[in-house]
Amino acid sequence: AQSVAQPEDQVNVAEGNPLTVKCTYSVSGNPYLFWYVQYPNRGLQFLLKYITGDNLVKGSYGFEAEFNKSQTSFHLKKPSALVSDSALYFCAVRDMNTGGFKTIFGAGTRLFVKA
Amino acid sequence: EAGVTQFPSHSVIEKGQTVTLRCDPISGHDNLYWYRRVMGKEIKFLLHFVKESKQDESGMPNNRFLAERTGGTYSTLKVQPAELEDSGVYFCASSQGTENSPLHFGNGTRLTVT
Repeated sequence: AQSVAQPEDQVNVAEGNPLTVKCTYSVSGNPYLFWYVQYPNRGLQFLLKYITGDNLVKGSYGFEAEFNKSQTSFHLKKPSALVSDSALYFCAVRDMNTGGFKTIFGAGTRLFVKA
Repeated sequence: EAGVTQFPSHSVIEKGQTVTLRCDPISGHDNLYWYRRVMGKEIKFLLHFVKESKQDESGMPNNRFLAERTGGTYSTLKVQPAELEDSGVYFCASSQGTENSPLHFGNGTRLTVT
C-alpha cells in the first residue's frame, strides 16, 4: 500500500537559517510526490511536485525539494527561513494504482521559525 | 478564479444529529475529493468524484456517510447520525483532469460532535 511518513512532528529553525522538512514514501511504481502548506484556518496550498526529470524541484515561496529514489525520500528545503514560513507542511504521494488521482498525505510537520 | 469554497466553516452538533457539508469546486474541475483530518493526524482520503460519478469511495468510514455530486458541480457530504468520532476537519479539494494536477483545497469545515 502507498504511504507517506513525516518523522518530525515539529521543526524549529531560526530566521535566516536553512530548513529541512523530512518526508519518506512507500509506493509501487514511479512516485508522483507533492508538498502542501497549511496556514492557520486555511486550506492546504500546493507548493511543488515531482513527477519526473530533475531530482531537485523548485516551488513557491523559495521552497525546493529533493527527490531521492534510493532513499525513497522527498525532503522539503529552503536556504533561508522566514518567520512567515511558520506553518503546517504536508508531504503527499499520488496513488497511481487507483486511476492516478487518489492522493495520500502524511501527518504533517509543524515548522516554527523564530525571529 | 474563485477557489474551492466550503460551507459551513464550523458546525457543532449533538451525537445522533445530522449534518450536511457543502463544497463548491473550482469551475471546470471535473475531479472533486473529500478528505478528513482528525485530531492532528494525517489527512485521510474519503472519496473522489469525476463529474457526478463516484470514482473511488474506498475511504468512506461507514454507511453513515453519504456523498453526492448532482450535476457534476457542487458536492455535499452528509453524516447521519453523527457520532463522537466523526469530529474533525473535513476538506474538499478539486483538480483538473490530469494525473499530475495538484489539488486545490477549500478552507475546510470543522465539525464537532458533542
